[in-house]
Amino acid sequence: GQQLNQSPQSMFIQEGEDVSMNCTSSSIFNTWLWYKQDPGEGPVLLIALYKAGELTSNGRLTAQFGITRKDSFLNISASIPSDVGIYFCAGPDLETSYDKVIFGPGTSLSVIP
Amino acid sequence: ETGVTQTPRHLVMGMTNKKSLKCEQHLGHNAMYWYKQSAKKPLELMFVYSLEERVENNSVPSRFSPECPNSSHLFLHLHTLQPEDSALYLCASSKGYSDRGLPYEQYFGPGTRLTVT
Repeated sequence: GQQLNQSPQSMFIQEGEDVSMNCTSSSIFNTWLWYKQDPGEGPVLLIALYKAGELTSNGRLTAQFGITRKDSFLNISASIPSDVGIYFCAGPDLETSYDKVIFGPGTSLSVIP
Repeated sequence: ETGVTQTPRHLVMGMTNKKSLKCEQHLGHNAMYWYKQSAKKPLELMFVYSLEERVENNSVPSRFSPECPNSSHLFLHLHTLQPEDSALYLCASSKGYSDRGLPYEQYFGPGTRLTVT
């Protein structure tokens, strides 16, 4: 079945630094979703991408839909302490006929003030 | 506030208890989901309801019993749970399929932190 991998698994960065993380798949995805989960809360949708090559921003966050359609990238500029959390990529399971989304294992981000 | 609410936020129950988790979405969505999130594990899809009909039961033990009385409400009935069932239980909803033929984005509730003693 379809699977998503995320790297790095965890990151420790200094406040003010830029962050890059990525999500890869062995199969093609038609949509990429990026979520952030704060400790003890549910994931919150940050950015949705629908087209290969698409670059979309949401404040300091920028995500790109890879040209191969097998990867996606999320960048955070000028990190701040509230960026701490787990970032998940996700995409629709194209092997099912109903509304199912596959989630990656997540990248845990820690920001040192 | 994502438009999806869950109650209770925290629940401690013994292995012989029966309890229910509740989820309500105020987004006019047609599909609802239950996920289990254990420490240091990926999100595990448990149940999917589309237009109030269950379309997937991901090999979940029968001690978990979902109920979807209408498109806005979803319940997860719990009985005779085990300590390994302790986790964050997340509810999500989505519109269904977009005009692109792709599933819409899922919106999550804040979760119920369940501890089984």
